[in-house]
Amino acid sequence: DTGVSQDPRHKITKRGQNVTFRCDPISEHNRLYWYRQTLGQGPEFLTYFQNEAQLEKSRLLSDRFSAERPKGSFSTLEIQRTEQGDSAMYLCASSGGQGYYQPQHFGDGTRLSIL
Amino acid sequence: KNEVEQSPQNLTAQEGEFITINCSYSVGISALHWLQQHPGGGIVSLFMLSSGKKKHGRLIATINIQEKHSSLHITASHPRDSAVYICAVIYGGSQGNLIFGKGTKLSVKP
Repeated sequence: DTGVSQDPRHKITKRGQNVTFRCDPISEHNRLYWYRQTLGQGPEFLTYFQNEAQLEKSRLLSDRFSAERPKGSFSTLEIQRTEQGDSAMYLCASSGGQGYYQPQHFGDGTRLSIL
Repeated sequence: KNEVEQSPQNLTAQEGEFITINCSYSVGISALHWLQQHPGGGIVSLFMLSSGKKKHGRLIATINIQEKHSSLHITASHPRDSAVYICAVIYGGSQGNLIFGKGTKLSVKP
């Protein structure tokens, strides 16, 4: 069990640039979640995949944000035309097994800083 | 209004003290997580529970569904317990996505 891995760990970019993050879940997990955490706050839900299907999106996910999980394994989260307010920690989690109410395993996150 | 409230926000304790962190929620839930987050961001799930009590080492988590309240206890606290402890709930009818509290920052002094 290699755990959930996220890449990169840190990303610094200029406002207006596009960024893409990757999440590799635990291999047998079919559910994958993206969360965003700003300084001093708890994480907030962004989107959820079951296998390759994106089944739920938060209203926090503006049209500048897009997430994919093309083969039901790894997932990418892309932010286009980044803004200062996008600076945050982006967390990925995965879970598996029967039913939705299984423990989620988190990656270490990608910290995004917008200059 | 936050759907998940934690108290206290910050907690400083001396090594060896018994610690309690509280979580109250306002929505109907299917399960509740207690999570630990260390500086740098990594989150570790400590417990997931939907009723009663769970114990793992020096950590104990309890939940009262009727009162919509959960507590996390740490016995014989140690400086390595210093972290942010986050309560998160899976509300009934969701597809498992979590609603998080803001966290309790615990600092245990030697």
